Amino acid sequence: QVQLVQSGAEVKKPGASVKVSCKASGYTFTGYYMHWVRQAPGQGLEWMGWINPNSGGTHYVQEFQGRVTMTRDTSISTAYMELRSLTSDDTAVYYCARGLTPLHDSSGSNIYDYWGQGTLATVSS
Amino acid sequence: DIQMTQSPSTLSASVGDRVTITCRASQSISTWLAWYQQKPGKAPKFLIYKASSLESGVPSRFSGSGSGTEFTLTISSLQPDDFAAYYCQQYYSYPITFGQGTRLEIK
Repeated sequence: QVQLVQSGAEVKKPGASVKVSCKASGYTFTGYYMHWVRQAPGQGLEWMGWINPNSGGTHYVQEFQGRVTMTRDTSISTAYMELRSLTSDDTAVYYCARGLTPLHDSSGSNIYDYWGQGTLATVSS
Repeated sequence: DIQMTQSPSTLSASVGDRVTITCRASQSISTWLAWYQQKPGKAPKFLIYKASSLESGVPSRFSGSGSGTEFTLTISSLQPDDFAAYYCQQYYSYPITFGQGTRLEIK
């Protein structure tokens, strides 16, 4: 069965960076886009971007350009999301989420059938 | 960016009720719309794609409709497990955007 298991909660100071991991199992990791979505406390969902685990190609939301890096390690089927220059506004639960359809089928690559359990990143001085 | 607006923000209903949540897009997105359910402290659960296609395993009391800029999610007969937050998402163009959510609570 498909599973996405994320790393544990983090507490960071303003200006620091956070790196969240997402280990995939139960499917071919390099066959599906991996997206990152965040949710501030009590707020809605905010899409951050995706990584193509096969090529390493990425697409980031303009808002995070220059501050976010999404990478992957195919040898351990793990995706990573690093966010730098943190402020209190970055306090949120960060989710990885798998695209519904395989890489070659764009019809559902931007909707998410499997999600990680979420990683709470708290930014506080 | 395409803005997604859901209404109502909060909906109070009883078990057995039929409820409808509306999602409006700031420009036409054809039928490139998905719906998710989220319970407190949990990741979202995928319900519907292409505005009206039910994901495998989702109960048939859930249905979606609409195209262009106006969409609805209907639950035909509320069950206790359905009290949660619901989000619509457009995937017509980048950046992908979500509605602000509708909280479905027990009356």
